[in-house]
Amino acid sequence: NAGVTQTPKFQVLKTGQSMTLQCAQDMNHEYMSWYRQDPGMGLRLIHYSVGAGITDQGEVPNGYNVSRSTTEDFPLRLLSAAPSQTSVYFCASRTDPTGVTRGEQYFGPGTRLTVT
Amino acid sequence: KNEVEQSPQNLTAQEGEFITINCSYSVGISALHWLQQHPGGGIVSLFMLSSGKKKHGRLIATINIQEKHSSLHITASHPRDSAVYICADISGGTSYGKLTFGQGTILTVHP
Repeated sequence: NAGVTQTPKFQVLKTGQSMTLQCAQDMNHEYMSWYRQDPGMGLRLIHYSVGAGITDQGEVPNGYNVSRSTTEDFPLRLLSAAPSQTSVYFCASRTDPTGVTRGEQYFGPGTRLTVT
Repeated sequence: KNEVEQSPQNLTAQEGEFITINCSYSVGISALHWLQQHPGGGIVSLFMLSSGKKKHGRLIATINIQEKHSSLHITASHPRDSAVYICADISGGTSYGKLTFGQGTILTVHP
C-alpha cells in the first residue's frame, strides 16, 4: 500500500491564483480530512469527509473547497489564494472510529504552500 | 469544547536521558493518538491507545482515562528522537471520531 499520497510537495502561488492540492489513499478508508499547520497554531481542520459524496466544514474552511467523488481521492481547492493561506497542508485518512481500530489516523507527507 | 494541553512545550535533553511528555484533555474520549513530526517532515503515528499502556522499542505510552491524562516516555533518548511530539484525542459519542490536537512538544536531544 502507498498509504496517503499528496501532490505537489511544494507550491508557490501569486495572490488571486487558484489551484488544487491532490490527496489519494489506497486503504479504502471512508474518513478523510485536510489540515493546515501553522507555527504556534498546531494542526487545524479545514474540511473532512465521511465517505464518497459527503463533505463537511472543519474549523477553518473559508477560502477552500473540497469534493469527494470517490473513496480514494479528496482534493482541496484554493479558490483565490491569499498570503494568509501560506501554510503546510496535510491530508489524512483514518479507519472507522466506531470500529476496533477506533479511527487510527494516517497522514500524507504534506504540501508546503507559499502565497506571495 | 474539548481542549488538549501538552507539557512541556519545549524539552531539551542529553543523549541517554529518560524523557516524559504529558498530555491532558478535558472531556471523555474514545482514544488518544501520539504523533511524531521531524523538522520539515511528515507526521507519523506512534501510538493510539484507549487504555493502559503500549510499548514500541524505546517508546512507551500510557493513558489514565479517569484522570484524562496520557504520557509518552522515551527511554535512553537519542539525537534522532529530536522531533515535535503531538498528542491528539479522538472524540467519542456524536463527534464521530474528530481529532483535537495539542500544540506539540518540541524535543531536542543533544549528543
